Amino acid sequence: DTGVSQDPRHKITKRGQNVTFRCDPISEHNRLYWYRQTLGQGPEFLTYFQNEAQLEKSRLLSDRFSAERPKGSFSTLEIQRTEQGDSAMYLCANDPGQESTGELFFGEGSRLTVL
Amino acid sequence: QKEVEQNSGPLSVPEGAIASLNCTYSDRGSQSFFWYRQYSGKSPELIMSIYSNGDKEDGRFTAQLNKASQYVSLLIRDSQPSDSATYLCAVKRSSASKIIFGSGTRLSIRP
Repeated sequence: DTGVSQDPRHKITKRGQNVTFRCDPISEHNRLYWYRQTLGQGPEFLTYFQNEAQLEKSRLLSDRFSAERPKGSFSTLEIQRTEQGDSAMYLCANDPGQESTGELFFGEGSRLTVL
Repeated sequence: QKEVEQNSGPLSVPEGAIASLNCTYSDRGSQSFFWYRQYSGKSPELIMSIYSNGDKEDGRFTAQLNKASQYVSLLIRDSQPSDSATYLCAVKRSSASKIIFGSGTRLSIRP
């Protein structure tokens, strides 16, 4: 257990519905990342927060994806109008130190299945 | 060209032998390099980080970095069946930048 919690662990939804994932990091006010991973691939970068500021968002990410991290604590990732291609494992990772080391602690992931 | 490239494998190594995993990266300004292990159905976990040229050893694991060649490797000595997993190479440009992962190399240790 890394101390990074993700909810829900599994989500099955119909195409066109909206879904939201939550991540609770080890500690607040540090760096938090969202990645997407499909079978046989490495984690694909989605977005990244330093405290509450979203510093970077993948250019590959459509505007259906949005993420927030209010007050630098937990984070949410919302996918609007889901498509079958959104089916994947969504991973949250925390770089918890005072200084950014790049050493990430991952949550167990939220698996999304879009029917 | 992918930012971080790894041979997908599978790499099959006999138990007790040395497993050698390789990774190349395209951004010459990259500063920090990581190896993560991912068991099937689990999330990645950090096993090694390396920031300067040369070797870094931790138990049975040795990470090697050559910035001039833009090359990172991971050696696993005395390979055990429990080392069978996918190994992910990750690269970070600076303290304020994102971390990019390769697609991973699947390692299988055969008894």
